[in-house]
Amino acid sequence: AQKVTQAQTEISVVEKEDVTLDCVYETRDTTYYLFWYKQPPSGELVFLIRRNSFDEQNEISGRYSWNFQKSTSSFNFTITASQVVDSAVYFCACLGGYNKLIFGAGTRLAVHP
Amino acid sequence: KAGVTQTPRYLIKTRGQQVTLSCSPISGHRSVSWYQQTPGQGLQFLFEYFSETQRNKGNFPGRFSGRQFSNSRSEMNVSTLELGDSALYLCASSLTIPRDSSGNTIYFGEGSWLTVV
Repeated sequence: AQKVTQAQTEISVVEKEDVTLDCVYETRDTTYYLFWYKQPPSGELVFLIRRNSFDEQNEISGRYSWNFQKSTSSFNFTITASQVVDSAVYFCACLGGYNKLIFGAGTRLAVHP
Repeated sequence: KAGVTQTPRYLIKTRGQQVTLSCSPISGHRSVSWYQQTPGQGLQFLFEYFSETQRNKGNFPGRFSGRQFSNSRSEMNVSTLELGDSALYLCASSLTIPRDSSGNTIYFGEGSWLTVV
């Protein structure tokens, strides 16, 4: 069975600081998929990234970057030069079974002006 | 391109009643899954449908049921509501089988906020 751990419950930073959200996963599958979602107060889960287990390349999208390391079963998410609009709850998830996402507990990020 | 649409957005029900929530997936998507989000339990998988067939079900009592129609739209039903059923119910859609070689991205709707009083 899959398991996802987001050890950071809440993070508070000041605007323009860099911040890293940690994600550690457990799975017995040799092929698996990892996701990050952002949840603003409205409730919608906004898709940020999907990573396949056979592709260990790190990815950068604007101020967002992801560091995938199979050796440590981690898929960390970094926001560079954070902004107030980045304030939200962020979820890491692992795909198990037919479209069954196993979510971490989430990390609440507060970016203060 | 329209996203995943869920209705209603907010609703209040009384204990013992039943509720039906609706989800329209992204056009062309054939897989629909449902999740319950509560402060205590976090995000939990309810069930997943593909081509009108339930392929996977989470650990929820039989009061929770769902179905998918031929146009891929889905509904979930909760009967004999309990206070603990108060939650955000999220619907997600994806194109096809997630473990095919091209991978699969799962998109969520805005959710239905259910309050049971």
